[in-house]
Amino acid sequence: QKEVEQDPGPLSVPEGAIVSLNCTYSNSAFQYFMWYRQYSRKGPELLMYTYSSGNKEDGRFTAQVDKSSKYISLFIRDSQPSDSATYLCAMITMDSNYQLIWGAGTKLIIKP
Amino acid sequence: NAGVTQTPKFQVLKTGQSMTLQCAQDMNHNSMYWYRQDPGMGLRLIYYSASEGTTDKGEVPNGYNVSRLNKREFSLRLESAAPSQTSVYFCATGTTRNTEAFFGQGTRLTVV
Repeated sequence: QKEVEQDPGPLSVPEGAIVSLNCTYSNSAFQYFMWYRQYSRKGPELLMYTYSSGNKEDGRFTAQVDKSSKYISLFIRDSQPSDSATYLCAMITMDSNYQLIWGAGTKLIIKP
Repeated sequence: NAGVTQTPKFQVLKTGQSMTLQCAQDMNHNSMYWYRQDPGMGLRLIYYSASEGTTDKGEVPNGYNVSRLNKREFSLRLESAAPSQTSVYFCATGTTRNTEAFFGQGTRLTVV
């Protein structure tokens, strides 16, 4: 079993919809939770990160961490075709020298 | 301000050939990383360097060697390429505690 599980998709939604992307994890020691976006044939880029539990909002994006359920989510409001990409979650624990542990990524398609 | 630069962008090798992937950063980060990305498997860490003069194995180091030439440069060498090393390779740098990683544009390597 992988430490971080993420549905690979693809997830296809119409433009303007609210998108929910999720990851589950098994290591309760994870402390930092990140979401990266990767466009086709490009390197990943950081969208946002959260320390410990709670919500964090940045424009149309909201990251949510539920440590009791070992579950994190990324919500995208008013989705745009330009949001079409692969979204990867990543997590860090101090125990592993701050190494990033990655989900496999979810491919998101926003249909105009 | 280039960020993280990888060369080459594409490469085709025959089984048994060797090659070196180059990576340079101008972000003044201490940490540098080499990942491979395969469909459905997310990013897997090959080697990393926490600072100039140090290197450590990641999750999938077999068949690879690295060299941290100076603070800016971190190279990945395949001594005897195998078809299983066909992948997209990403170099990255990380901020303190790795809460933000910056990626190069990737090298698409095919071993035939």
